[in-house]
This record gives sequence, structure tokens and C-alpha cells, in this order.
Amino acid sequence: DIQMTQSPSSLSASVGDRVTITCQASQDISNYLNWYQQKPGKAPKLLIYDASNLETGVPSRFSGSGSGTDFTFTISSLQPEDIATYYCQQYDNLPALTFGGGTKVEIK
Amino acid sequence: QLQLQESGPGLVKPSETLSLTCTVSGGSISSSSYYWGWIRQPPGKGLEWIGSIYYSGSTYYNPSLKSRVTISVDTSKNQFSLKLSSVTAADTAVYYCARLGTIGVHLDYWGQGTLVTVSS
Repeated sequence: DIQMTQSPSSLSASVGDRVTITCQASQDISNYLNWYQQKPGKAPKLLIYDASNLETGVPSRFSGSGSGTDFTFTISSLQPEDIATYYCQQYDNLPALTFGGGTKVEIK
Repeated sequence: QLQLQESGPGLVKPSETLSLTCTVSGGSISSSSYYWGWIRQPPGKGLEWIGSIYYSGSTYYNPSLKSRVTISVDTSKNQFSLKLSSVTAADTAVYYCARLGTIGVHLDYWGQGTLVTVSS
């Protein structure tokens, strides 16, 4: 099974800060990686698909990069509405999915 | 606009079977472009994929749950269902249904989620 290691598990940053989250796969998954945002009490929302593609309607301050085993998710300028937990998710062995452990983003 | 809605009991006794249904509206569950999946989230914890089904009935399960999970589809009702047997308190979670693309491979539509508590 492919394991996804996401870090950090939580972070605190100021409004306007650049925020970076990493996700590491236990084996090469090419670009088969998505990123989701989950706000409290809500279902996750797709932000980035295929490692670096911005979902329609998602603000451009969100971005993703990487391939193989190492991936990065970035918020270029943290906004108050970005407070949420973020998850990576791989689909190398579709339709089986694996999620990372999540990163809780808070405002300092 | 596609919508998914989970339904089923919110309380299940230990050792019994958890049963949930996801009703899809605004689109056909019989599309060849999608799988339909179940994901759960224990309180305060992360997301766990349970399994996925294709409209043809082909199923794919998380190996850690495979012995207890059955997912089925009813195309006539535009629904798919989850059964999880021999539940324990560890199965207490919010259960989500979602759509997974076969080409654009991401979970793009989700239900609102339903909390299932396992308790006597």
C-alpha cells in the first residue's frame, strides 16, 4: 500500500504569510496527487488536482507542485478564510485512494 | 448541479451492521466517467477511504476494511450503498459519499456527511 506522509500536522501563521505544506509518498506516484481543503463541519473541497492544476473557481493564491514522491502545497498570502485543514490524496492505484494525515492551518 | 446526500441511521449498536445510502441527483450514476466512493472521518481525525464502486457494480475496497465492507449500486434509483459489518466504537465517524472521476481523477462532489455513532 502507498503511504502518504504529510507535514507539518499543524501550523500557525500570520495573515499575508506564505504557507507551505509537504506531502511525501512511499513510492513514485508520478503526478497522481490532489489537495483538498476542509473547514470545520464541512465536506472537503478540491483545490488542486494532478499535483499542480488549480480547480475552477479556486483563488490563485493556492498552488501545488511536485512529482514522483515529493509534493508541495502553497498558500502565497494567507487569508483569514483559509483557516482549515488541508489534505493530500494519491490515486496511483486508482480507484483505491490514500489520504495524508492532514495539516491544520491557524492564524497567529 | 450534481448533489449527493447520505442517509441512514445515526446510531448503530456494537457488533451490528452499519448501513448507509447515497442518493445522487442532478446527474446519472450510470456515467462511465465516474466511480462513486465512501470516505469516513472519525471525530477529530483524518480522512479514510472506505471503497469505491463503478456503475457496472465493480467494487474496490480499502484492504484494512475489506473483510467487513460491502458497497452496492442501484442504477434504477440513482443510489449506491455502504454496509459495514461487526462495527465497534472505532467505526464511529462522519461518513461521506463522493464522486471520483476516471479521467479527471479527483473527488469533485461530496455529500454533506452523516455522523454514525456506534454505541449500545
